[in-house]
Amino acid sequence: GAVVSQHPSRVICKSGTSVKIECRSLDFQATTMFWYRQFPKKSLMLMATSNEGSKATYEQGVEKDKFLINHASLTLSTLTVTSAHPEDSSFYICSAPGHGSYNEQFFGPGTRLTVL
Amino acid sequence: GDSVTQMEGPVTLSEEAFLTINCTYTATGYPSLFWYVQYPGEGLQLLLKATKADDKGSNKGFEATYRKETTSFHLEKGSVQVSDSAVYFCALSSGGGNKLTFGTGTQLKVEL
Repeated sequence: GAVVSQHPSRVICKSGTSVKIECRSLDFQATTMFWYRQFPKKSLMLMATSNEGSKATYEQGVEKDKFLINHASLTLSTLTVTSAHPEDSSFYICSAPGHGSYNEQFFGPGTRLTVL
Repeated sequence: GDSVTQMEGPVTLSEEAFLTINCTYTATGYPSLFWYVQYPGEGLQLLLKATKADDKGSNKGFEATYRKETTSFHLEKGSVQVSDSAVYFCALSSGGGNKLTFGTGTQLKVEL
């Protein structure tokens, strides 16, 4: 099946710094990618939809200036957490839809962000 | 809006026991329903899906039937193995788009 990678797998940073997370579709093109945030023992919360060639679409309550998304190519989307604070610590997961008719998503392995 | 409700875990079973993880949903229209599995340290993988009422999705011994009348999509397996230990997410997609709405996930631990 289709493979989605994320880098880094885990990152620890100081409060106030910015962190960039990459999401790549390795063997297929993705004009759309999705970014989720997963809290401990909680569901995946959709943060935004990344669109190649246009602005990302953010879900209600997600600060677009805080979580910058850039869909640089048909295989790469990046999420930058700007001026990170401890409350931004979480597990961030990206996904890309397949090309079938049943909305199957292919997920990356996730990035564990810890802000000190 | 759309929502998915799953039974809370963790669920601990002995190997070869019968598994049921309940999932109910609220959605507009006729959603597609999914079960995803997340093994330790890995990303989510599609386990099975159903796209219309009375469809049964199945994979690796797991089954779930799309019940429109009860708005449910319960996951079942007749005999679990230690290798089935993972977190299971019920999800739906509606409106023809690719957005997924997830349940909270249910952790399954299978012991010898």
